[in-house]
Amino acid sequence: DAGVIQSPRHEVTEMGQEVTLRCKPISGHDYLFWYRQTMMRGLELLIYFNNNVPIDDSGMPEDRFSAKMPNASFSTLKIQPSEPRDSAVYFCASSPGTIRGDTQYFGPGTRLTVL
Amino acid sequence: GQSLEQPSEVTAVEGAIVQINCTYQTSGFYGLSWYQQHDGGAPTFLSYNGLDGLEETGRFSSFLSRSDSYGYLLLQELQMKDSASYFCAADTGGFKTIFGAGTRLFVKA
Repeated sequence: DAGVIQSPRHEVTEMGQEVTLRCKPISGHDYLFWYRQTMMRGLELLIYFNNNVPIDDSGMPEDRFSAKMPNASFSTLKIQPSEPRDSAVYFCASSPGTIRGDTQYFGPGTRLTVL
Repeated sequence: GQSLEQPSEVTAVEGAIVQINCTYQTSGFYGLSWYQQHDGGAPTFLSYNGLDGLEETGRFSSFLSRSDSYGYLLLQELQMKDSASYFCAADTGGFKTIFGAGTRLFVKA
């Protein structure tokens, strides 16, 4: 399996622009997680899905952030409008979710820079 | 609030043993995971403790004490390639995971 795939790997945009990050989880995994990592705040869980349904979005910082999972093989995280403080590395992870403590497999991340 | 506390940095020499501690305070708790992250890379899973006690996986071991809200990761026979950040992460229920801030391990020759 190719692992979790994220695109783009790097994104540089200007403040106010819309940004869409994409994720393809590992086939057969029922759980998908979106994380944001910064030096100041560490690794934060933004939202996670189970069988394409959002379960907990309490980590989404504000209404500018939205996430969707239209099918089992694709998810997006959208920021509109983007702000410089959104600059971070965004990771997508997937997990089989069959047992407690099941491994989360992280994608390579998208490094977002908002100017 | 929910938090996991771990040291920010640890330094050890090649071949030595190092222990990275993690204390947690969460509203729900089902287990503690450990992840490794090299600079510029993604976190990768190391171990999980759902029950009290020690779990061993090769050179790495992890321990959990629920009564003390405490766990640790033990790395033996340290190698230069073990230089990385190590995160403890709590499963707080429903597969929701809260990560600690990470411990940066420096391994010296």
